[in-house]
Amino acid sequence: KAGVTQTPRYLIKTRGQQVTLSCSPISGHRSVSWYQQTPGQGLQFLFEYFSETQRNKGNFPGRFSGRQFSNSRSEMNVSTLELGDSALYLCASSLPSSGVYNEQFFGPGTRLTVL
Amino acid sequence: SQQGEEDPQALSIQEGENATMNCSYKTSINNLQWYRQNSGRGLVHLILIRSNEREKHSGRLRVTLDTSKKSSSLLITASRAADTASYFCATVDFSGYSTLTFGKGTMLLVSP
Repeated sequence: KAGVTQTPRYLIKTRGQQVTLSCSPISGHRSVSWYQQTPGQGLQFLFEYFSETQRNKGNFPGRFSGRQFSNSRSEMNVSTLELGDSALYLCASSLPSSGVYNEQFFGPGTRLTVL
Repeated sequence: SQQGEEDPQALSIQEGENATMNCSYKTSINNLQWYRQNSGRGLVHLILIRSNEREKHSGRLRVTLDTSKKSSSLLITASRAADTASYFCATVDFSGYSTLTFGKGTMLLVSP
C-alpha cells in the first residue's frame, strides 16, 4: 500500500497570505489528523477528521481550519499567515475504525516558511 | 500543550552500545507510544504500550511503563548508525480520542 502523501512538500509564503495543504491517507484509512511541529513548541495537535467530520480540535486560532472529503483526503488551510506559522505540518492517518489503540501513520510533512 | 518531557534531550553513543531514553507525562493515560523521526521528516511508529502493561518488546526495542511514576523508558539495544534520529513519546488519554500528545523528544546520535 502507498503511504500517506502530503503536497506540497515545501512552501514559501509571505505574511498575510493564505495557504492550503493537502494530505492523502493510506487507502482504506478514514481518520486523518494534523500536527504542527516547530522548534519552540514541538509537536502540537491541530485537528482530526473522521468520515468528513471534525472529531477533535487542538488549541489553535480560528485561522487554522481543515476539511475532509468523501475519499478521506484532507486539506488544511491557514489564513492571514504570521511568521510564527512557519513549521513542519504533519498529517497522519489511521485505521478505518476509531480507536485509541490505533497506530498512526505519518506523511513526510509540508515545510511551510512564512517570510 | 506538551504532555511531558523526554530525558535526555540529546544522547550520543557508539555503535553497539545501548541507548536509553526516558519520558515523563502529567495526566492519566490510556496508552503511550514511541515514534522515531529522521531529520525533520515524518514520524514512524515504533511501539505502543497500554496503561495496564508494564513492559513490551519489539525486536531491539524494549519499553517500560510505570503509571505510578507517570514515566516510560525506551531501550534500544545494540545501536546502529541507522538508529540516529529523534525519538518522541506520545500519550493518549481517556477522552476517547486517538489524539497524540507529544513530548519534546530525544535526539540520538549513533556514531560508527
